[in-house]
Amino acid sequence: NAGVMQNPRHLVRRRGQEARLRCSPMKGHSHVYWYRQLPEEGLKFMVYLQKENIIDESGMPKERFSAEFPKEGPSILRIQQVVRGDSAAYFCASSRSGDEQYFGPGTRLTVT
Amino acid sequence: KQEVTQIPAALSVPEGENLVLNCSFTDSAIYNLQWFRQDPGKGLTSLLLIQSSQREQTSGRLNASLDKSSGRSTLYIAASQPGDSATYLCAVRPGNQFYFGTGTSLTVIP
Repeated sequence: NAGVMQNPRHLVRRRGQEARLRCSPMKGHSHVYWYRQLPEEGLKFMVYLQKENIIDESGMPKERFSAEFPKEGPSILRIQQVVRGDSAAYFCASSRSGDEQYFGPGTRLTVT
Repeated sequence: KQEVTQIPAALSVPEGENLVLNCSFTDSAIYNLQWFRQDPGKGLTSLLLIQSSQREQTSGRLNASLDKSSGRSTLYIAASQPGDSATYLCAVRPGNQFYFGTGTSLTVIP
């Protein structure tokens, strides 16, 4: 059973470009969470999704950030018009029932 | 708002020692608590999950306890090894969100 997969592992974007981060949950998991880890800071919750639904997006910045988890395919975290402050590691976690979380390896976004 | 604190922030021990990592949280109304390890530049690996109705969980050399009423959890590592060197994170789930501490960076010296 493959673990949580994220791609790309590293992403470099210029200021103003769009970043798309993908997360494929573990087989049988329908709960997906996105977190951001800024340098020297802890993990911060961004959004919680189930298939085709956003359950809780209270940790997501109101502008430029969006997330989806379509019926088919991976979950996508999209950041529009990136700024330097968006540089961070973005982690996805999945869960079967909303209890134990399993994390992917993360996508490290660098904005130049 | 839930706040999670981990003490100490860093710990260095000689190989073979037993050690305890601490996690405290401000709101005792949680569903569960999960301990992770994070290696530099890597993702998180789940170590132990304790449901709110449980007092402890064990896996190999690891034992985690939970005292929900006092808002505390400890992770006990027996007979530490250099391969245990990593950052250890605890996370609590009061609702949909998981709240993470900032971690304890552990170095086990051969």
